[in-house]
Amino acid sequence: SAVISQKPSRDICQRGTSLTIQCQVDSQVTMMFWYRQQPGQSLTLIATANQGSEATYESGFVIDKFPISRPNLTFSTLTVSNMSPEDSSIYLCSVSPGTGDWTEAFFGQGTRLTVV
Amino acid sequence: DAKTTQPNSMESNEEEPVHLPCNHSTISGTDYIHWYRQLPSQGPEYVIHGLTSNVNNRMASLAIAEDRKSSTLILHRATLRDAAVYYCILRDVGGSNYKLTFGKGTLLTVNP
Repeated sequence: SAVISQKPSRDICQRGTSLTIQCQVDSQVTMMFWYRQQPGQSLTLIATANQGSEATYESGFVIDKFPISRPNLTFSTLTVSNMSPEDSSIYLCSVSPGTGDWTEAFFGQGTRLTVV
Repeated sequence: DAKTTQPNSMESNEEEPVHLPCNHSTISGTDYIHWYRQLPSQGPEYVIHGLTSNVNNRMASLAIAEDRKSSTLILHRATLRDAAVYYCILRDVGGSNYKLTFGKGTLLTVNP
């Protein structure tokens, strides 16, 4: 299993500013992911955070807008840059600590971001 | 990842069984069927998964059709705490990337 701590849990930010969200896991994991959940919507994968290399972004998400760091196997950050009200969402960190054909995914509680 | 189709919402009474359907007609032979749920104001949590055979765990049962084109998540006795959005997700067992692609899910309401 894995316990994930996300900080901050919520924030209200001014448009044009940036916010960095932290994700700390209680064990070393290879796979770490960042998701966005817009109001009333499902989760959308932003990127896979790779340790020791650049993150792998999904279609529609770019590094300049969502830079990701992964300095070690227990920690990652997601920055939401130059924010606009459209970035108001819940951002979730997820890990899959197992190996093999299948592994359970664990999620943090999320960071609720409101951009005004 | 192959696409899944679920009803937008379902309603149940407390202590009654709930059957949540999922259609995945384009499933491939190497796709696992996963179910996650998201309680209000929380991140998703794992419920159950399967490949071909029916599965049971302490939370639920998963019934998989013989042709694997559909599956049903069964909550044997719904409680108020089971009110959540339930997501049916397919993931290729052969892939080394464990990312999950979420659909819209089914919002389950449990009445007291």
